[in-house]
Amino acid sequence: DQQVKQNSPSLSVQEGRISILNCDYTNSMFDYFLWYKKYPAEGPTFLISISSIKDKNEDGRFTVFLNKSAKHLSLHIVPSQPGDSAVYFCAASIVGNTPLVFGKGTRLSVIA
Amino acid sequence: DTGVSQNPRHKITKRGQNVTFRCDPISEHNRLYWYRQTLGQGPEFLTYFQNEAQLEKSRLLSDRFSAERPKGSFSTLEIQRTEQGDSAMYLCASSLRTSGAHEQFFGPGTRLTVL
Repeated sequence: DQQVKQNSPSLSVQEGRISILNCDYTNSMFDYFLWYKKYPAEGPTFLISISSIKDKNEDGRFTVFLNKSAKHLSLHIVPSQPGDSAVYFCAASIVGNTPLVFGKGTRLSVIA
Repeated sequence: DTGVSQNPRHKITKRGQNVTFRCDPISEHNRLYWYRQTLGQGPEFLTYFQNEAQLEKSRLLSDRFSAERPKGSFSTLEIQRTEQGDSAMYLCASSLRTSGAHEQFFGPGTRLTVL
């Protein structure tokens, strides 16, 4: 039973446009959510996170939105750049700093 | 380089052999995690330590797997009698347990291929 779901395996976006990556979760105990970016042959790199007490967190071109009632979060990248092409993982945890539960990832391709 | 490091980066072994991987976390981080990632999946939790104490083990961690963090610094993950199903990327992450820090920082991983 997958507790964190990323239903879109891939996404293609034109350079300069907005990329929206989605994530759904089933466990209402999750109280912290993170997005990681992964290039081939490298480990995941932390991008941005959000606590369950907030509904939005912004860091430069990256914004994460959390809708607790829908158990849904999304990552917005504006404007998208070719260097953003990677696999993006959504992750969640209970009582912070405990093991992360990851989705299967979404492969983003930003086309110049 | 002050990030998480893992050695070796690649390991090819024959079924039935034992392998050991090493992880060196970010120096001030007191928590260390091991994850496994297979093709098309996200990382899956195996086990984690706070300082030298192993606090949790996943059901994925069979009896053939053992992890240690003897002095609360580096950690080793050993797989005994490897099987083809053990082929995966093994990822190590570290974090600092404080009230506000939740992010885990990952190393580059060790890719294991069991022939």
